[in-house]
Parts: sequence; C-alpha cells; structure tokens
Amino acid sequence: GAVVSQHPSRVICKSGTSVKIECRSLDFQATTMFWYRQFPKQSLMLMATSNEGSKATYEQGVEKDKFLINHASLTLSTLTVTSAHPEDSSFYICSARFGLAGKNEQFFGPGTRLTVL
Amino acid sequence: GNSVTQMEGPVTLSEEAFLTINCTYTATGYPSLFWYVQYPGEGLQLLLKATKADDKGSNKGFEATYRKETTSFHLEKGSVQVSDSAVYFCALTNPWEAAGNKLTFGGGTRVLVKP
Repeated sequence: GAVVSQHPSRVICKSGTSVKIECRSLDFQATTMFWYRQFPKQSLMLMATSNEGSKATYEQGVEKDKFLINHASLTLSTLTVTSAHPEDSSFYICSARFGLAGKNEQFFGPGTRLTVL
Repeated sequence: GNSVTQMEGPVTLSEEAFLTINCTYTATGYPSLFWYVQYPGEGLQLLLKATKADDKGSNKGFEATYRKETTSFHLEKGSVQVSDSAVYFCALTNPWEAAGNKLTFGGGTRVLVKP
C-alpha cells in the first residue's frame, strides 16, 4: 500500500517558538493532503485541506495565520505552528490522496506529537 | 452536521474472544462508512468500508454492516488475536455535501487482546 511519512514523530518546544512538521508521500504523488489534529481520547479533527500548488482550505475555527500549510510539491506538505503555546500541544496527523475527490482512499501518516512548554 | 459516535475503550479481551465495537452516525442522505485501524507506532489504515445501505464490508476476519435503519456500522470479529491489538476508528464521508470527501471520525476505541 501507499506510504506516508511524517517528521518529526515527536517534538518539544518552548512557548513562542515555531515548529514545522513535514508530511511526505513516499511512493505516490499526492494531489491532495489533509492535516488533522487529535486531542487525547478524542476524534481526529480536520484542520485543513491542501492541493498541490494552491492555497490550503481551512476548516472553520482554525487560524490560518497560526497554522501555516504549504503544499509545494506532489510529495510534500508542511504544517508550521507559529508562535506555539501550550494549548497547541496535540497529536498532528496528515493524510494524502491521489486522484479524484471522493474516489480514492486517504493514506495516513503516523502522526507527530507536539508538546509546547 | 455529520457526527460519529463509537464506544469508548479500552476494550480488553482474551485471544479467540468475540469482538464488537459499536458505531453510530448522524448524517443527511447516504454517507459512506469506514473503519480504520491504527497499530502502535503506525498511521491509520483503512480496514473496511461500505458505501450503501445493507452493504457488508469485510477484511482480515473483521466485518461491519451498513444499517440505515439504526444508523449503525458496528465492527465485529469472531476470534481475535493478539495482533489485533490497536485503536479502531469509525468514520464517514458524505457525498451529499459539497465537501463530500472529508472524513468525519469517531473518537477511537482501543482494543487490547491478551494471550
């Protein structure tokens, strides 16, 4: 099956700093990538959808200036948490899909655990 | 809006026991339903899916039937193994909506199978 990687798997940072998380599709070209956030014992919540070469579409309530998403190539999307604060601590998961919307499966990365001190 | 509710875990079982994880949903129209599994240290993987009422999805001994009348998609396996220990997520997409490709997840159920 298709493989999606995330880096880093775990990151601890100080409040006020920025953190970048990478999501890569290793063996296919991802026309669309998704970023999710998961709190302990809660659902995955979709943050944004990004298509290669265009601006990300953010879900309601997600601050686009705080969570910067770049999908510069068909195999790489990045999520940058700017000026991170303790309430941003969470598990961030990306997924990638190729082909037509609604027709193809999303392949998920293993997630990145962010802890902001 | 769409929502998915699944039983909270953890669910602890002995090997060869019968597993059921309940999942119910709220959505307009006819959503597509999914079960994803997340093994320790790995990403979510699609386990099975069903796209219309009365469809049964099956894979690796797991089954789930799309029940429109009860808005449910319960996951079952007749005889679990230690290797089935994982977190299971019920999810839906709703092609009746403009953003029909978005996945809405349940909270996940952790399953622990003991030898």
